Amino acid sequence: QKEVEQDPGPLSVPEGAIVSLNCTYSNSAFQYFMWYRQYSRKGPELLMYTYSSGNKEDGRFTAQVDKSSKYISLFIRDSQPSDSATYLCAPLMDSSYKLIFGSGTRLLVRP
Amino acid sequence: DVKVTQSSRYLVKRTGEKVFLECVQDMDHENMFWYRQDPGLGLRLIYFSYDVKMKEKGDIPEGYSVSREKKERFSLILESASTNQTSMYLCASSLLTEAFFGQGTRLTVV
Repeated sequence: QKEVEQDPGPLSVPEGAIVSLNCTYSNSAFQYFMWYRQYSRKGPELLMYTYSSGNKEDGRFTAQVDKSSKYISLFIRDSQPSDSATYLCAPLMDSSYKLIFGSGTRLLVRP
Repeated sequence: DVKVTQSSRYLVKRTGEKVFLECVQDMDHENMFWYRQDPGLGLRLIYFSYDVKMKEKGDIPEGYSVSREKKERFSLILESASTNQTSMYLCASSLLTEAFFGQGTRLTVV
């Protein structure tokens, strides 16, 4: 079983839509849950992260973790064409453990 | 600004060659990683290092080795390049919850 699973998409939505991106993971020892955004021909960049369960909001973005079901979500409100990118989830145990990524979901926001 | 620099943006090598991919970071980070990225497969971890001279296998270490003699430098070595190692290679360094990536090396093995 893969440690983290993510639907690869692509996901195509109209501008202004609410987007929901999701991952599941198998290792209950993960404590940090990151979301990275990768534009075409660039390396991934950290978008936001949460520690343990709960929600975290940053502008139009909300990250949500449900440790009981091992489910990670990223919501994007009022999506913009500039949000078109690949979004990768990355659960982490601690600083000396490997950093692994989901396969990424490609998002296209149509003007 | 954190900077992670990979030695080459594009590289073409012949089957059987020994290939070195170099990565340097300037933020004194303990952790460094090498990934390859292929369409539909996402970022797959090859090796990582959480201290100088320390290395740990990732999920796909076969055919690769690494070297970390200095904290700022992490090298990926393809002992005998094969065509199935044609890929985008990404190096990263991290401070716990944030990893910073290099621009990537597009390696083609012919």
